[in-house]
Amino acid sequence: GAVVSQHPSWVICKSGTSVKIECRSLDFQATTMFWYRQFPKQSLMLMATSNEGSKATYEQGVEKDKFLINHASLTLSTLTVTSAHPEDSSFYICSASKRGGTGRTDTQYFGPGTRLTVL
Amino acid sequence: GQQLNQSPQSMFIQEGEDVSMNCTSSSIFNTWLWYKQDPGEGPVLLIALYKAGELTSNGRLTAQFGITRKDSFLNISASIPSDVGIYFCAGRNTGTASKLTFGTGTRLQVTL
Repeated sequence: GAVVSQHPSWVICKSGTSVKIECRSLDFQATTMFWYRQFPKQSLMLMATSNEGSKATYEQGVEKDKFLINHASLTLSTLTVTSAHPEDSSFYICSASKRGGTGRTDTQYFGPGTRLTVL
Repeated sequence: GQQLNQSPQSMFIQEGEDVSMNCTSSSIFNTWLWYKQDPGEGPVLLIALYKAGELTSNGRLTAQFGITRKDSFLNISASIPSDVGIYFCAGRNTGTASKLTFGTGTRLQVTL
């Protein structure tokens, strides 16, 4: 199997506080993890690509100082939304890339998402 | 940036009907993927396509990788209520750290 978990599944916080979201690959090692944001009735937008042991690569328009990403091990990546504001309220989804083996393409497996509401 | 357009945007069908949706891109992709997302959940991979012209089935689902590499379609045969959800296509190119570009989504509603 290839299971990816996220914690918490939902969080409500006050404006100005920071929130940490964890993404774990439970039964495989993922050298690369991805963080997406999804607004209601919209598609998934890639925020950043995270490689174990190195700095994350952020997509254009995503503030790296606001969305801190740490990929400390082959099974864990964290996204911290710093000084959250109501406009940061969204559904945050991570994915982990599992190696496809010799001659096979890697496959991304998605977590169940974390709904963040900033009051 | 790149954008994948899906059509239709939404569809209401009766149980038992067949469904067809497609995805078009302004640029070429080497891999096309189809995902289904249930409300409040992450996307789940349905079908992956790796070669232009490839036709792949997964149960009642069939998807094809367009010859031009700029489009793909997904068919669902004999729809059932649990097919309800949002279907996303996604494109990927090699050499881009496996980054996916998602389509705009097709929302499917199935009535009994």
